[in-house]
Amino acid sequence: AQSVTQLGSHVSVSEGALVLLRCNYSSSVPPYLFWYVQYPNQGLQLLLKYTSAATLVKGINGFEAEFKKSETSFHLTKPSAHMSDAAEYFCAVSAASTGGGNKLTFGTGTQLKVEL
Amino acid sequence: DTGVSQDPRHKITKRGQNVTFRCDPISEHNRLYWYRQTLGQGPEFLTYFQNEAQLEKSRLLSDRFSAERPKGSFSTLEIQRTEQGDSAMYLCASSRRGAINTEAFFGQGTRLTVV
Repeated sequence: AQSVTQLGSHVSVSEGALVLLRCNYSSSVPPYLFWYVQYPNQGLQLLLKYTSAATLVKGINGFEAEFKKSETSFHLTKPSAHMSDAAEYFCAVSAASTGGGNKLTFGTGTQLKVEL
Repeated sequence: DTGVSQDPRHKITKRGQNVTFRCDPISEHNRLYWYRQTLGQGPEFLTYFQNEAQLEKSRLLSDRFSAERPKGSFSTLEIQRTEQGDSAMYLCASSRRGAINTEAFFGQGTRLTVV
């Protein structure tokens, strides 16, 4: 079984400040980890993914995440927040190899607010 | 690449009515997934297809729900005798088969409101 926990359902930062969104995972098999972003009334867009290559993963829009096996974490960061980053962010996990396809198990999401 | 397309974007229905949603995946993708997202929650897996075969169904998918992918291309999700608890965003995603570089691409979803 796999699960992810996102700490903090709402995070507020000032424009230009560091963004840190936390995600911890639980998986009985080697995981693939993903961060998705969702704007209001839209689908999900992939920001970045970890698939057992480099532990520091760079994604779109200046976001990056680091896979830390010892901490079972995959936190999302961005050095400088922009107003356009305001959205809901979801961490997700899938099994690296499975007969169950690549179905994703999502966290409950973190709503990011960016203030002037 | 026109992306994953879902139709309709919004549906309002009366309790007890049947509804059907359609998903057109990215053309070269042979895996197709349905998820349900309720307010304030992350998407929850409902079912997935590899080509035309439905390979897994979540226990969330009650007997009022049925999904098909008859020719391995588009898919439909039908909900019979809708209940207010069915109100949610229904998301479709598609991906290529394989263990690497097979991230799922999501459609914009169908928002269902049962009144």
